[in-house]
Amino acid sequence: GAVVSQHPSRVICKSGTSVKIECRSLDFQATTMFWYRQFPKQSLMLMATSNEGSKATYEQGVEKDKFLINHASLTLSTLTVTSAHPEDSSFYICSASWTGDQPQHFGDGTRLSIL
Amino acid sequence: DAKTTQPPSMDCAEGRAANLPCNHSTISGNEYVYWYRQIHSQGPQYIIHGLKNNETNEMASLIITEDRKSSTLILPHATLRDTAVYYCIVRVSGRDDKIIFGKGTRLHILP
Repeated sequence: GAVVSQHPSRVICKSGTSVKIECRSLDFQATTMFWYRQFPKQSLMLMATSNEGSKATYEQGVEKDKFLINHASLTLSTLTVTSAHPEDSSFYICSASWTGDQPQHFGDGTRLSIL
Repeated sequence: DAKTTQPPSMDCAEGRAANLPCNHSTISGNEYVYWYRQIHSQGPQYIIHGLKNNETNEMASLIITEDRKSSTLILPHATLRDTAVYYCIVRVSGRDDKIIFGKGTRLHILP
C-alpha cells in the first residue's frame, strides 16, 4: 500500500533553532500533501495544505512566516519551523493521497521538543 | 469544525466485537464516511471508508444507515492492539480535499 515517510521521527533542540521536517511519498506521486500539529491529549489540527510547485495554503491562525512549507517535487514536502520556541513543541504529522480515489495516508509523525 | 459527533470513550472486552458509532447528520450527497485510528504516538491509520453501501475489509466493517446520517464501525474481534483513538470523518473523496479531525472516540480494549 501507499506509504508516507517522515524524517526525523524525533528532534530535540535549543530555543531559537530552525528545524526542518521532511515528508516523502515513497511509492507514489503526491501533488498535494497536508501538515498537521497535535498537542498532548488533543486531536490533530490542520496547519496547511502543501501544493507541488506553488505556495502552501495556511489555515487561519497559522503563521506562514513561522512555518515555512516547500513542496518542490511530487514526492517531497518540507516543513521548517523557524526560530522555534518551547511553545512550538508538538507532534507534527503529514499526509498525502495516492490518487483521487484513494484515502489519505499519514506519516508516523515527528515529535519536536524545544528546550 | 468537524462534521461528525462521536462518544468520547468506550470500553470493549478483548475478543468481543467493538461497535463505534458516529453521527453525521449534515453529510452531503457527495461526501464519504472515512474511519481512521491513531495509536499512541503514531500517525493516523486508515481503516475503511464508504459512501452509502456497507463495506468490509480485513480490518473492519462499516455500516451506514439508509439516510446516511450515522454510521457504525465494527471491529469484529477486538484485541489489545486495537486500543486507540478512532476518528470518523466525512469528506469528498479526492486527494486535494483536506481532513478536519474531530475529537474521536478513545477505545479501550479490556483484557
